Amino acid sequence: AQSVTQLGSHVSVSEGALVLLRCNYSSSVPPYLFWYVQYPNQGLQLLLKYTSAATLVKGINGFEAEFKKSETSFHLTKPSAHMSDAAEYFCAVSEWETSGSRLTFGEGTQLTVNP
Amino acid sequence: DTGVSQDPRHKITKRGQNVTFRCDPISEHNRLYWYRQTLGQGPEFLTYFQNEAQLEKSRLLSDRFSAERPKGSFSTLEIQRTEQGDSAMYLCASSYKETQYFGPGTRLLVL
Repeated sequence: AQSVTQLGSHVSVSEGALVLLRCNYSSSVPPYLFWYVQYPNQGLQLLLKYTSAATLVKGINGFEAEFKKSETSFHLTKPSAHMSDAAEYFCAVSEWETSGSRLTFGEGTQLTVNP
Repeated sequence: DTGVSQDPRHKITKRGQNVTFRCDPISEHNRLYWYRQTLGQGPEFLTYFQNEAQLEKSRLLSDRFSAERPKGSFSTLEIQRTEQGDSAMYLCASSYKETQYFGPGTRLLVL
């Protein structure tokens, strides 16, 4: 069974500071991994994905994530936070190559950016 | 490509009433998913269609819930005899391959 753990339900950074949101996964097969962002009362927007190609993945809005198999991690980073980055971020795992269906999400990390 | 759309965006109903939600996926996507998200939690998988076939259902999908995708295009999710515990955001997503694209969701409040 697949699962995701997001360490830290709330992260607060200053504008211009490094953003680091942590995600660890569990999967019985090589996983596909995703980061989504959700603004209040909206759906989820895809930030980036890992699908067994390059381990360092670049996404939209300056975000990137690195897949580390040995650590079962897929942490999200951004060098310099912007006020508009304040939102909830979800990490998700899919066993696409076997089941081809469901995403399993973490519980989310609420990012606050202070001026 | 107008993205995934959901209707209605908000629904308030009384306990015991039936409600139906609609999802229109991105036009070339053959896979359609429903998720439920409660406050402060990540989305939880409910069910999945490939074309018109419902291929997987979560244990969360009790017998009061039914989903259809009759012509392999739009989908409906019906909740019968709603309970206060059904209050949540219901999200629809579609995909062609592994990447799912989400709609804006339908927020349900059961009084």
